[in-house]
Amino acid sequence: DARVTQTPRHKVTEMGQEVTMRCQPILGHNTVFWYRQTMMQGLELLAYFRNRAPLDDSGMPKDRFSAEMPDATLATLKIQPSEPRDSAVYFCASGLSMVDYGYTFGSGTRLTVV
Amino acid sequence: QKEVEQDPGPLSVPEGAIVSLNCTYSNSAFQYFMWYRQYSRKGPELLMYTYSSGNKEDGRFTAQVDKSSKYISLFIRDSQPSDSATYLCAMSGTGGFKTIFGAGTRLFVKA
Repeated sequence: DARVTQTPRHKVTEMGQEVTMRCQPILGHNTVFWYRQTMMQGLELLAYFRNRAPLDDSGMPKDRFSAEMPDATLATLKIQPSEPRDSAVYFCASGLSMVDYGYTFGSGTRLTVV
Repeated sequence: QKEVEQDPGPLSVPEGAIVSLNCTYSNSAFQYFMWYRQYSRKGPELLMYTYSSGNKEDGRFTAQVDKSSKYISLFIRDSQPSDSATYLCAMSGTGGFKTIFGAGTRLFVKA
């Protein structure tokens, strides 16, 4: 059963520290998304990639967040420096560009910044 | 005003009840309408999708889209305790970019 794998599942860090979250999309999927979920804001799109190229990262605070796809099997989301307001669950999702609906989500990284 | 509005609930129903979940939206460019189910501490999983207006049925689940009213619904028949989860509506235009999610409705089905 193909799935999106995210690591770590949980991360607790101190304010000011760098945080890196990783995602392995489903093999063959060429579109990768990063979402953030909080109680207040729900699911927010941070960035997405198609064929490893960043297409839109307008939802991401540029001064501290960065997203990359070093290769087709790995996407990373980095926060530096982290702040308490970054505490949330971060989801990666992948899909096929010719399909306009429905992506497969990973189980998320639960980030707590203290 | 948000592009997609969804009542967060919670909604509590007895087992066997018919559940109705709804979303309204403002962007007439939306063409794809989806429902995701999210269990606690899990990622959302696609439950159903509909293109444009109309109904779609899959087992106990029926999705309805009324584009003229900018209103979508998900009906769950014979609800089960295993249906207890958060249900998120989602919408996108052609090209699949920038899928917009509703806030999600928490559903509890009591045995």
